[in-house]
Amino acid sequence: GENVEQHPSTLSVQEGDSAVIKCTYSDSASNYFPWYKQELGKRPQLIIDIRSNVGEKKDQRIAVTLNKTAKHFSLHITETQPEDSAVYFCAASTGYSSASKIIFGSGTRLSIRP
Amino acid sequence: AAGVIQSPRHLIKEKRETATLKCYPIPRHDTVYWYQQGPGQDPQFLISFYEKMQSDKGSIPDRFSAQQFSDYHSELNMSSLELGDSALYFCASSTRRGANTIYFGEGSWLTVV
Repeated sequence: GENVEQHPSTLSVQEGDSAVIKCTYSDSASNYFPWYKQELGKRPQLIIDIRSNVGEKKDQRIAVTLNKTAKHFSLHITETQPEDSAVYFCAASTGYSSASKIIFGSGTRLSIRP
Repeated sequence: AAGVIQSPRHLIKEKRETATLKCYPIPRHDTVYWYQQGPGQDPQFLISFYEKMQSDKGSIPDRFSAQQFSDYHSELNMSSLELGDSALYFCASSTRRGANTIYFGEGSWLTVV
């Protein structure tokens, strides 16, 4: 089955700097890669996603890149703000198949230093 | 917009008791997923249903069972509860008729004492 590895497990950046979180996946059939932000005790909230027919996607300060050959995908947050502090999960899924569950990475705890 | 509704939000049970969690997916969503998240852990996939049929199974213990009903709501039944079952249980839903984006409910906190 799919296995998603995520690093780093913790990341501390100065407010205003950029943060990068990286993930790798094992199942070459995976074609959908969402990123979720989770605050303590709350539900994962989708912040951006990318499908395998796209190499990069951007939404304001957040961007995601995908390298299908290397099975890598990354989240980039620019101009970080205190409200960006949370746990971020990458995930992978086979998207439109009959059982498109998403498998999460182990999470990155991002802290923004004022 | 309507979201995934889970109930109860908090539940306290004793060891060996039984608990039932309910999930109401976003209207017109045909797929429901259950995830278990322990403290400091990533969400672990338990089971999913598509059009009321089980479609995939993850790390769901044999003591747990789930089903999806004709109105698409789903229930997760947990029996012979153990202390290690204490976790946040998320239900999520999606539809294959659209982008298949998966949306999570607020979660149900289960504490086993």
